[in-house]
Amino acid sequence: AQSVTQPDIHITVSEGASLELRCNYSYGATPYLFWYVQSPGQGLQLLLKYFSGDTLVQGIKGFEAEFKRSQSSFNLRKPSVHWSEAAEYFCAVGGVGSSNTGKLIFGQGTTLQVKP
Amino acid sequence: GAVVSQHPSRVICKSGTSVKIECRSLDFQATTMFWYRQFPKQSLMLMATSNEGSKATYEQGVEKDKFLINHASLTLSTLTVTSAHPEDSSFYICSAFSLGTPSYEQYFGPGTRLTVT
Repeated sequence: AQSVTQPDIHITVSEGASLELRCNYSYGATPYLFWYVQSPGQGLQLLLKYFSGDTLVQGIKGFEAEFKRSQSSFNLRKPSVHWSEAAEYFCAVGGVGSSNTGKLIFGQGTTLQVKP
Repeated sequence: GAVVSQHPSRVICKSGTSVKIECRSLDFQATTMFWYRQFPKQSLMLMATSNEGSKATYEQGVEKDKFLINHASLTLSTLTVTSAHPEDSSFYICSAFSLGTPSYEQYFGPGTRLTVT
């Protein structure tokens, strides 16, 4: 069955420190991969996405993610975190080609807390 | 990216009444709209997939007679929570998608906070 796992429910980092949020997926083929951020009471904002090509993807706000097929992972990274980036982060996967219905499967989310 | 709006952003209703939530794709034509429900501190749970001009497809466990979805045009989908009860209180989010867009991404609305008293 298709699934997405974000192993870390809650992560706390100091402002200015680096960040890595983990995402593992189970899928029959290489899916489309997304990272979204959600501030409290808000909708989702797309940070970055991977469809094909270069496995290191650059997104908005200085975020990047690396697709590793061998590990079925798509971890999100940022070299230096700002306090305003405390939020909920969701990894999601979608179908490719004929399986692409637009439907996404979301991970459980990781709550990021940033200490001053 | 495309802009998706939801109305209302917050609604409080009494138990037993019905509430309609609108989802509008403002600057592109969405062949598909998705409706999600999100409980506090939890992930998004897909409720149904709505394709323009056809009946919605509901996920397992979602009552189609309770959550009525209409997708009458390429820019508007509505979710009506019928005979709402306190357990229906939640954050409802819609998203718009089109197979025709090269980015293959969903565009999310800002969400609607429903509170049933």
